[in-house]
Amino acid sequence: SQQGEEDPQALSIQEGENATMNCSYKTSINNLQWYRQNSGRGLVHLILIRSNEREKHSGRLRVTLDTSKKSSSLLITASRAADTASYFCAAHTGGGNKLTFGTGTQLKVEL
Amino acid sequence: DGGITQSPKYLFRKEGQNVTLSCEQNLNHDAMYWYRQDPGQGLRLIYYSQIVNDFQKGDIAEGYSVSREKKESFPLTVTSAQKNPTAFYLCASSQAVVGGNEQFFGPGTRLTVL
Repeated sequence: SQQGEEDPQALSIQEGENATMNCSYKTSINNLQWYRQNSGRGLVHLILIRSNEREKHSGRLRVTLDTSKKSSSLLITASRAADTASYFCAAHTGGGNKLTFGTGTQLKVEL
Repeated sequence: DGGITQSPKYLFRKEGQNVTLSCEQNLNHDAMYWYRQDPGQGLRLIYYSQIVNDFQKGDIAEGYSVSREKKESFPLTVTSAQKNPTAFYLCASSQAVVGGNEQFFGPGTRLTVL
């Protein structure tokens, strides 16, 4: 079952603009992670935010977490063509290290 | 050069054949995972292993089998019982940390059933 649902499914922006992707999840989490996937490749971890954190930054990335609304957002500032990829949220919900992935947002950054 | 490798990159099989996908990591991670990804979809967990000689079913284990005889290796067998095996298969590993940790992914194997 999919824990996370991402919104929008696809996003097309111009280089230099900001991109915002949202993720909603269903149950309590230990942490929420964001990954990036270039077409036909493996996933790359971007950022992890724990359930007791509200905001986290890494370079041009900003992640927020609202546990009361069971939602998270990923903001990419000053986007570049190289940011074109699919972005997935993944919820860590219990014992062990299992993650449950969302359906992903396809981001296209045009020159 | 540390990382996680999968082989082969592309795999073709005839209906009714079993096929084994390789996954190796030299990151000294305790936990390893197999996911399936269908076009335009997220990842679904097939099997995972938190320690050598132990593994658990994920959400879609039917038609698949795994083994974990060595810490660095977690091969996945797609059996003839898997009704729709054509997909992109991703292996991952992580440190087994209370509260969860990031996963490191291999480059994937694209399996096509002819």
